[in-house]
Amino acid sequence: NAGVMQNPRHLVRRRGQEARLRCSPMKGHSHVYWYRQLPEEGLKFMVYLQKENIIDESGMPKERFSAEFPKEGPSILRIQQVVRGDSAAYFCASSPQNTYGYTFGSGTRLTVV
Amino acid sequence: DQQVKQNSPSLSVQEGRISILNCDYTNSMFDYFLWYKKYPAEGPTFLISISSIKDKNEDGRFTVFLNKSAKHLSLHIVPSQPGDSAVYFCAASASSGNQFYFGTGTSLTVIP
Repeated sequence: NAGVMQNPRHLVRRRGQEARLRCSPMKGHSHVYWYRQLPEEGLKFMVYLQKENIIDESGMPKERFSAEFPKEGPSILRIQQVVRGDSAAYFCASSPQNTYGYTFGSGTRLTVV
Repeated sequence: DQQVKQNSPSLSVQEGRISILNCDYTNSMFDYFLWYKKYPAEGPTFLISISSIKDKNEDGRFTVFLNKSAKHLSLHIVPSQPGDSAVYFCAASASSGNQFYFGTGTSLTVIP
């Protein structure tokens, strides 16, 4: 039973490029959450999705960031026109029900140069 | 606004002794709390949880204590082992909410 799979593990982008981060939840989990960890900080909530629905995006920056969880395929966190301040570790978690039974992936470390 | 606080960035303990990691929260609506352990370059791994209807939960060497009136919880690890060296995050949620609020973590080093 594979855990939460995130790819890529490491992603380097130049300023102004787009970053796409993928997350495949655990089998049987229909809830997906994205968190961001900036250097020297704890994890900060970004967005909570169920299949084809964004439930809560209160933690998402208003511009350049978007997320989706299509009917088929992984959840995608998309960052357009990346800036140096977007450099962080992005973690995806999934659960079978809201906030319970969270399992985290290993994260994607985004570096913007 | 940091609703969950871990005021000790680091802690060093001798192998075999007790490690006590502390966490404070400000939101009285929080009713479910977790501790996560994180190794470098890996995602957080669930360690132990406690709901607000309890004041203690134990799992092997790990015990979490919750003091609702003080809005404080602590994680006790006894006996501490070198493999316990990691960053420990406290997280809290409200049953009405959609997210966990994380502390900034405490880096535990267990000295052999």
